[in-house]
Amino acid sequence: GQQLNQSPQSMFIQEGEDVSMNCTSSSIFNTWLWYKQDPGEGPVLLIALYKAGELTSNGRLTAQFGITRKDSFLNISASIPSDVGIYFCAGQGTSGTYKYIFGTGTRLKVLA
Amino acid sequence: NAGVTQTPKFQVLKTGQSMTLQCAQDMNHNSMYWYRQDPGMGLRLIYYSASEGTTDKGEVPNGYNVSRLNKREFSLRLESAAPSQTSVYFCASSEVGELFFGEGSRLTVL
Repeated sequence: GQQLNQSPQSMFIQEGEDVSMNCTSSSIFNTWLWYKQDPGEGPVLLIALYKAGELTSNGRLTAQFGITRKDSFLNISASIPSDVGIYFCAGQGTSGTYKYIFGTGTRLKVLA
Repeated sequence: NAGVTQTPKFQVLKTGQSMTLQCAQDMNHNSMYWYRQDPGMGLRLIYYSASEGTTDKGEVPNGYNVSRLNKREFSLRLESAAPSQTSVYFCASSEVGELFFGEGSRLTVL
């Protein structure tokens, strides 16, 4: 099935470092969503993006909707131990579809 | 505000048994979804319901059926469970471009 390419698959970083991850697709999307999932829980929405070029922040998190509409980026500044988890991107296609397609996730581990 | 509620949270089945996963949302959303999550595979769409009275197949619908009982409720049924259906199942609802998830139902098929 169709999935987004999300990278990196996993990363270990030191507390206080900045983190970057991205998602790419061969298809154009109208909406990009970024989620965080903790063990044993459902994904929690972090940021939603609706326009090409849009840059949106939520605390230490910043996400961008790529100009080509085929990619999106998430940055976490000054990481802390509670940032540990799996981060997923999701894209919703062009008008007429209600489907959201998910990336395979980036597993983040923060070393104190 | 409960958001999206799924039951049961855990279930163990034997091969060939049937069961229904229940999902309800209290956000008055039109669209509802069922995803499954397997290690290293991300979330894959099983079925979705764009609005009350409609359902459509997602990426991996084989072996599943759904019912949109009303605007609030969307159930997922396994008629004859197989070990390949061992997974964590998530229900979600959406409105205005945002997708909200329940806490998941962990299903093991022996």
